[in-house]
Amino acid sequence: IAGITQAPTSQILAAGRRMTLRCTQDMRHNAMYWYRQDLGLGLRLIHYSNTAGTTGKGEVPDGYSVSRANTDDFPLTLASAVPSQTSVYFCASSEGGSGVDEQYFGPGTRLTVT
Amino acid sequence: GQNIDQPTEMTATEGAIVQINCTYQTSGFNGLFWYQQHAGEAPTFLSYNVLDGLEEKGRFSSFLSRSKGYSYLLLKELQMKDSASYLCAVKDSNYQLIWGAGTKLIIKP
Repeated sequence: IAGITQAPTSQILAAGRRMTLRCTQDMRHNAMYWYRQDLGLGLRLIHYSNTAGTTGKGEVPDGYSVSRANTDDFPLTLASAVPSQTSVYFCASSEGGSGVDEQYFGPGTRLTVT
Repeated sequence: GQNIDQPTEMTATEGAIVQINCTYQTSGFNGLFWYQQHAGEAPTFLSYNVLDGLEEKGRFSSFLSRSKGYSYLLLKELQMKDSASYLCAVKDSNYQLIWGAGTKLIIKP
């Protein structure tokens, strides 16, 4: 079944450790996104990529980095995790361009930083 | 700044109709989206409005007034499976989605 996969499903991480969240889509979408979702707040965009080889900063990029070496993969790295990065992380993709361009979401990664 | 407002929680009865409102103030407007998110799951796309008026899709309808910065999602013939959070999002001048915090809808039998 076509879609987006994320790994791991959940993780408990010690503060100061480095962590990479993986995201893969098989829909050949041009655009990909990383969001975090915290209670009482809307989804907040961390980083995005409009096409392979390009990335951009979203609303809350500090402490996170991304790469887009190919169309399918869009990993998110926390260089040195802090407790405020405890959240649920969603990867999403879309065809890109104007119009509806609805985003399709992965199942999420629940990250706890202790 | 950019802001999307929607009620935190609503309760409705199975079989009834419920309207979830969303007001927005954003830098530019390139469409408004409604997504559904069941607890512990990913958001899924419900509807898109870019012109004023009502868009109907089965039991769900979405309305937009750009001059008022206002939208609503109307759910008819409520079913227990409609218990979920409903997220309003606006695509801004940079074509990025700005999200509301979501409205948790509780359906009672």
